[in-house]
Amino acid sequence: GAGVSQTPSNKVTEKGKYVELRCDPISGHTALYWYRQSLGQGPEFLIYFQGTGAADDSGLPNDRFFAVRPEGSVSTLKIQRTERGDSAVYLCASSSRGGHYNEQFFGPGTRLTVL
Amino acid sequence: QKEVEQNSGPLSVPEGAIASLNCTYSDRGSQSFFWYRQYSGKSPELIMFIYSNGDKEDGRFTAQLNKASQYVSLLIRDSQPSDSATYLCAVLGGQAGTALIFGKGTTLSVSS
Repeated sequence: GAGVSQTPSNKVTEKGKYVELRCDPISGHTALYWYRQSLGQGPEFLIYFQGTGAADDSGLPNDRFFAVRPEGSVSTLKIQRTERGDSAVYLCASSSRGGHYNEQFFGPGTRLTVL
Repeated sequence: QKEVEQNSGPLSVPEGAIASLNCTYSDRGSQSFFWYRQYSGKSPELIMFIYSNGDKEDGRFTAQLNKASQYVSLLIRDSQPSDSATYLCAVLGGQAGTALIFGKGTTLSVSS
């Protein structure tokens, strides 16, 4: 079956602009995660959804970052007033289980560049 | 704050050799451990997970977990040039206990 998909694959924006990144998880997966990865680093957790609700948003760096999953499937990560430090690859992952034994499968990522 | 430590490498091994990748973690209460492989410019790909002390084998890959020493390793037997990648170790964390907390990864280079 289809894996996790993310759009766009690349996004270039100017400092101060608003961006939206989309994630479509594996069909039937109730758990959805957003991470971001900077060069030379491992992915860094941002937010976790179980169904429609954000079960853990402890990784969001500040209030410029927000994510939604209104119907429990597709999720959108929204970044306001982008800064150059937001440049990274934003990864989405999904899992069929959200508990302690969940295996997460990653999408291809969106490379965000803030000029 | 949970931490995961990995030697960044690069680890260089000849084709056919055993590659040994190591990872330590800070939280003694961690229960679930994952190894991801990441090719340059690609996203992480899950290759192994382990929850119990001891060894878990899957093809050429063996994950080893020692909770007393807070140590998890990945062995790759008969290494191939196609195994050249960055290997990321992760444990579960976050407020809900389900987020992956990653190390920085170890770069493996297999020479033919």
